[in-house]
Amino acid sequence: DAKTTQPPSMDCAEGRAANLPCNHSTISGNEYVYWYRQIHSQGPQYIIHGLKNNETNEMASLIITEDRKSSTLILPHATLRDTAVYYCIVSSEWIQGAQKLVFGQGTRLTINP
Amino acid sequence: DAGITQSPRHKVTETGTPVTLRCHQTENHRYMYWYRQDPGHGLRLIHYSYGVKDTDKGEVSDGYSVSRSKTEDFLLTLESATSSQTSVYFCAIRSPGQGGMANYGYTFGSGTRLTVV
Repeated sequence: DAKTTQPPSMDCAEGRAANLPCNHSTISGNEYVYWYRQIHSQGPQYIIHGLKNNETNEMASLIITEDRKSSTLILPHATLRDTAVYYCIVSSEWIQGAQKLVFGQGTRLTINP
Repeated sequence: DAGITQSPRHKVTETGTPVTLRCHQTENHRYMYWYRQDPGHGLRLIHYSYGVKDTDKGEVSDGYSVSRSKTEDFLLTLESATSSQTSVYFCAIRSPGQGGMANYGYTFGSGTRLTVV
């Protein structure tokens, strides 16, 4: 089962910042938070990941609360092409060096013109 | 995505027939994965591989087998397809992380849409 809780859907105006929340209250100390997105009919795309510090890359920023029980993915200037399902994932078990990511239902983000 | 291709992209097959889906990577990554995606279930791991001839089961492995005879190819076989295996199948490779066990992200293929009639 997924270890995260996300709202099923969100809307955001084009050009505004999109803030996608994720709860992961049972996260353990060595587990990372990952964000992926899936644009319709395509494979999931990696966005960003973090452990406890805030992270930023060319796509997004990841804000993780101090207690690590929740995080927020920020798309600073959303465009229509950011319309997608966004998955927040907490890294799960490692077996033989392979990590299994468990994808939940995600948040369907719609960017409106 | 560049470096990982799936074939076929679409397939319709009859119940009871064997089906093999292919995932090919040019990145020389050690880890490869097969997921299926169904409405209401997100992505679920079927099998994964951590090296040539080294594979293990995921959460929904019943009815599926895999093989990895070369680093670049990971095959998913449905020995006797059933309607419940109608789904979109994604292959993924994992990029090595820098330092420690951190995963620097999975790259997914474009998917295979399989319909079992």
